[in-house]
Amino acid sequence: EDQVTQSPEALRLQEGESSSLNCSYTVSGLRGLFWYRQDPGKGPEFLFTLYSAGEEKEKERLKATLTKKESFLHITAPKPEDSATYLCAVPQGGSEKLVFGKGTKLTVNP
Amino acid sequence: DTEVTQTPKHLVMGMTNKKSLKCEQHMGHRAMYWYKQKAKKPPELMFVYSYEKLSINESVPSRFSPECPNSSLLNLHLHALQPEDSALYLCASKVGRGGNEQYFGPGTRLTVT
Repeated sequence: EDQVTQSPEALRLQEGESSSLNCSYTVSGLRGLFWYRQDPGKGPEFLFTLYSAGEEKEKERLKATLTKKESFLHITAPKPEDSATYLCAVPQGGSEKLVFGKGTKLTVNP
Repeated sequence: DTEVTQTPKHLVMGMTNKKSLKCEQHMGHRAMYWYKQKAKKPPELMFVYSYEKLSINESVPSRFSPECPNSSLLNLHLHALQPEDSALYLCASKVGRGGNEQYFGPGTRLTVT
């Protein structure tokens, strides 16, 4: 069964304190791994797609990396506006469905 | 432009009402999705339309009725809902078949009284 596990469930950082979020996955035939950011009461905002091990993508203070078993979302010198829930998802094998992790709620204190 | 729009933003309805949620995208995407999201949970898939045909129904109760009038528009018709159906309803779209990313709308916050 395809699975996505995110850790930690919640993370509190001080402004400027870099850290990483983890997304480990088990899927038959990876067809992409997606990172989303979701603010309370709003729809998920697409951040990155990673397709193959070794791939990296960056956007402002965020960098996503992929290995054969997991992905990391590195946050460098975060700001309070980076506070959100970060979701990781993979397409279920042979399906149009996405398997989501439960998310990591990030809080960045000023 | 990667915008998916949803209306209304908020909806309060009684258990005997009939209402509809609307989703629109003009990105030429041919796959459209309805999700339900409860607080502190990830989105939960309800329906998938692929090339205007219903391809996935995740055993959703018949009080939810999807409709895809054309490739840009997706509706969700609601009837005789229960209070436990209160949630954030999200629409998403993607290019077509395959592993491409989905783009989500802002959601409709539904409250059933």
